[in-house]
Amino acid sequence: SQTIHQWPATLVQPVGSPLSLECTVEGTSNPNLYWYRQAAGRGLQLLFYSVGIGQISSEVPQNLSASRPQDRQFILSSKKLLLSDSGFYLCAWSTPGGSYGYTFGSGTRLTVV
Amino acid sequence: QQQVKQSPQSLIVQKGGISIINCAYENTAFDYFPWYQQFPGKGPALLIAIRPDVSEKKEGRFTISFNKSAKQFSLHIMDSQPGDSATYFCAASMNSGYSTLTFGKGTMLLVSP
Repeated sequence: SQTIHQWPATLVQPVGSPLSLECTVEGTSNPNLYWYRQAAGRGLQLLFYSVGIGQISSEVPQNLSASRPQDRQFILSSKKLLLSDSGFYLCAWSTPGGSYGYTFGSGTRLTVV
Repeated sequence: QQQVKQSPQSLIVQKGGISIINCAYENTAFDYFPWYQQFPGKGPALLIAIRPDVSEKKEGRFTISFNKSAKQFSLHIMDSQPGDSATYFCAASMNSGYSTLTFGKGTMLLVSP
């Protein structure tokens, strides 16, 4: 069966520090991968998605970047965090070739202080 | 045209009552309409989904009603329970390898004991 792992679960980082959040998927090949941010416990904002290794589409220009160094690994990064980067970050995957049936990870609560 | 409008933003229902959440869309190319349930501090989980070739889909106490001509769909939770208290997101997508899910802004449901 397929599983998605996301870590860390919580993170407190000072303003100006770098960020690296990792997401891995097991039990499937060539998944579509997504990074979402959820602010104030409500709406889901799509940040990045990837349909293959090295292929990243950015939905919202901002202080963040994403990379997909391996088929089932998706990384969200920042060189210098801003206060506004605080939020709940969610990784998700779907079957290759379509966006049906997203499966989300358990999320990372990021607080920038 | 890519938006999915969800209402209400919040909903309080008594235990045993019916919870109804509505969504509307504009893009007639959408052909997959899932609902996600999210508990605090957790990632959203797929609850139930429907395609436009049927007008209703039922799974246990959860029912999706779909009105293709009105471009609307709704989630009904029968016999609502306190354990149903969560945030619910509707979403829509197209049958395309590069299509992403478009989410509504979410509805916070509280079922009072």
